[in-house]
Amino acid sequence: KQEVTQIPAALSVPEGENLVLNCSFTDSAIYNLQWFRQDPGKGLTSLLLIQSSQREQTSGRLNASLDKSSGRSTLYIAASQPGDSATYLCASSKAAGNKLTFGGGTRVLVKP
Amino acid sequence: DAGVIQSPRHEVTEMGQEVTLRCKPISGHDYLFWYRQTMMRGLELLIYFNNNVPIDDSGMPEDRFSAKMPNASFSTLKIQPSEPRDSAVYFCASRIAGGQETQYFGPGTRLLVL
Repeated sequence: KQEVTQIPAALSVPEGENLVLNCSFTDSAIYNLQWFRQDPGKGLTSLLLIQSSQREQTSGRLNASLDKSSGRSTLYIAASQPGDSATYLCASSKAAGNKLTFGGGTRVLVKP
Repeated sequence: DAGVIQSPRHEVTEMGQEVTLRCKPISGHDYLFWYRQTMMRGLELLIYFNNNVPIDDSGMPEDRFSAKMPNASFSTLKIQPSEPRDSAVYFCASRIAGGQETQYFGPGTRLLVL
């Protein structure tokens, strides 16, 4: 059974600092890995999706890497802003059309 | 598009009562997912549908929970009878078949069972 872990559970950084969020998974036979953002009281918003054949995906200040052999993915957020404060969750899928297994999330606070 | 729509947004009920949560997926999406989020267990998939057919309901906690998708634009998650441990935020998500498989989440229904 796939287990997805995110450490730390919470992170606080000053504005402008780069953010590094970690995600680890136990079964490397994944189909894709996704990163989501969740604001308080809201649903999840998809940020980036990395297919198993890819090493990274980029969108603006966000970059996500994937290392299947070590069972890790990292989300980098450059030059953090207070508006980046949210909970970030990663999730893996074992096969096409299959369900997602979520990590517990990392709650990020960017201080002005 | 308005995105995934869920109703009600908040529900407070007493133990033993029936609770029905509703979801309207994004038009044209083939998959619909029901999730539950709690502090203790995080985000868990309860059940998902493909073309209105339930594919995997292994996450449904027990027989008190049931889900239906009578057509492509509507799904319900019912809890009968409800218990305090069912208190959670319930999310509905949908996605289109193939492609990137990105899921689009609704705003959730916050359920409190007293």
